[in-house]
Amino acid sequence: AQSVTQLGSHVSVSEGALVLLRCNYSSSVPPYLFWYVQYPNQGLQLLLKYTTGATLVKGINGFEAEFKKSETSFHLTKPSAHMSDAAEYFCAVSNGGGSNYKLTFGKGTLLTVNP
Amino acid sequence: GAVVSQHPSWVICKSGTSVKIECRSLDFQATTMFWYRQFPKQSLMLMATSNEGSKATYEQGVEKDKFLINHASLTLSTLTVTSAHPEDSSFYICSARDNLSGNTEAFFGQGTRLTVV
Repeated sequence: AQSVTQLGSHVSVSEGALVLLRCNYSSSVPPYLFWYVQYPNQGLQLLLKYTTGATLVKGINGFEAEFKKSETSFHLTKPSAHMSDAAEYFCAVSNGGGSNYKLTFGKGTLLTVNP
Repeated sequence: GAVVSQHPSWVICKSGTSVKIECRSLDFQATTMFWYRQFPKQSLMLMATSNEGSKATYEQGVEKDKFLINHASLTLSTLTVTSAHPEDSSFYICSARDNLSGNTEAFFGQGTRLTVV
């Protein structure tokens, strides 16, 4: 079984400030971890993913996340928030990378960016 | 990256009618596609796994006779909401992986907003 917990359903930051969105996971096997972004009334876009190898993963739009096995965490960060970063962010875990492996999503964190 | 297209992007239907939503992988083959439902300000809940050429696998609590899934080709899966009711109003999203490339990324459609009146 696998699960994802996103701490904080809503995070508000000022433009230019650090963005930190928290994600903890539970998985009985080595996990594959993902962060997705969703803009209103749209599907999901992949920001970054961790499968194996380097634990610090860089994604699009300046985001990065670090896989910490000891803490079962995969927090998403960005050094400087931009207004265009305002969206819903979902952390997800998969117990494999094959085409039929399911994604389990967290409840999402709404990021607002204040001018 | 690979593209998954959903159609329609929004639909309004009368209570009691059926609505079909299409999910296409435009530039890759997908033996497996996934259908999710998302309520306002909530996460995505997996409804079913669509398998090309065989029956879909439904998650617990999802009525298979109400949400009919057909995956007749490697690039198309359809979800039909039968005898729709207002409580079926939701945002439906499909996703697929490119099974030939081995890419671990799941590509998502843009979603379909269903409103039942």
